[in-house]
Amino acid sequence: DAGVTQSPTHLIKTRGQQVTLRCSPISGHKSVSWYQQVLGQGPQFIFQYYEKEERGRGNFPDRFSARQFPNYSSELNVNALLLGDSALYLCASSPGQGRHEQYFGPGTRLTVT
Amino acid sequence: KNQVEQSPQSLIILEGKNCTLQCNYTVSPFSNLRWYKQDTGRGPVSLTIMTFSENTKSNGRYTATLDADTKQSSLHITASQLSDSASYICVVSVGAGGTSYGKLTFGQGTILTVHP
Repeated sequence: DAGVTQSPTHLIKTRGQQVTLRCSPISGHKSVSWYQQVLGQGPQFIFQYYEKEERGRGNFPDRFSARQFPNYSSELNVNALLLGDSALYLCASSPGQGRHEQYFGPGTRLTVT
Repeated sequence: KNQVEQSPQSLIILEGKNCTLQCNYTVSPFSNLRWYKQDTGRGPVSLTIMTFSENTKSNGRYTATLDADTKQSSLHITASQLSDSASYICVVSVGAGGTSYGKLTFGQGTILTVHP
């Protein structure tokens, strides 16, 4: 079975641009969470979606938005990119909310210049 | 404020040796604690997950312990291998109640380097 997949693998953008990152969860999983991991730090929670509804939001500005589609895949959008948005963006899927194990994708490395 | 702190920040050991990584947390209410292994530039991979009632859990050469009273956990790696070189992240899940249910709080990780 395929694990969590993310695209693209790497991305280079310029300050002020917009970016869309994509995530496909493990088949059967209905929850997708997004995390930002700055180099040398642990991941920081951005969003959780379950059954296509936002169920949790971390301390990130409104420039960050996400959505989940009927097939449970998800997109993370970041507008007006800043240099500080450069990070590894991780997507994790789980069967449901709460105590379920989360399975992480390989991440998308975003570099903002 | 929910926090997870790990120590040491980094660790260098020789192949074949054992080591222990520490994790202290202040997350409340507590649901479960997880240890992940993250290779450079890759997504974290789960090693163990423990609930409130579990004191220890093993996964091959990895053994995690949990003391819910003192809010401490440790990850013990035995007979280390070169492939164990990675960042090890302690993650605590918030328990039932409120909108934070299931939210994960990550530690900053311990970078382990195993030398031949």
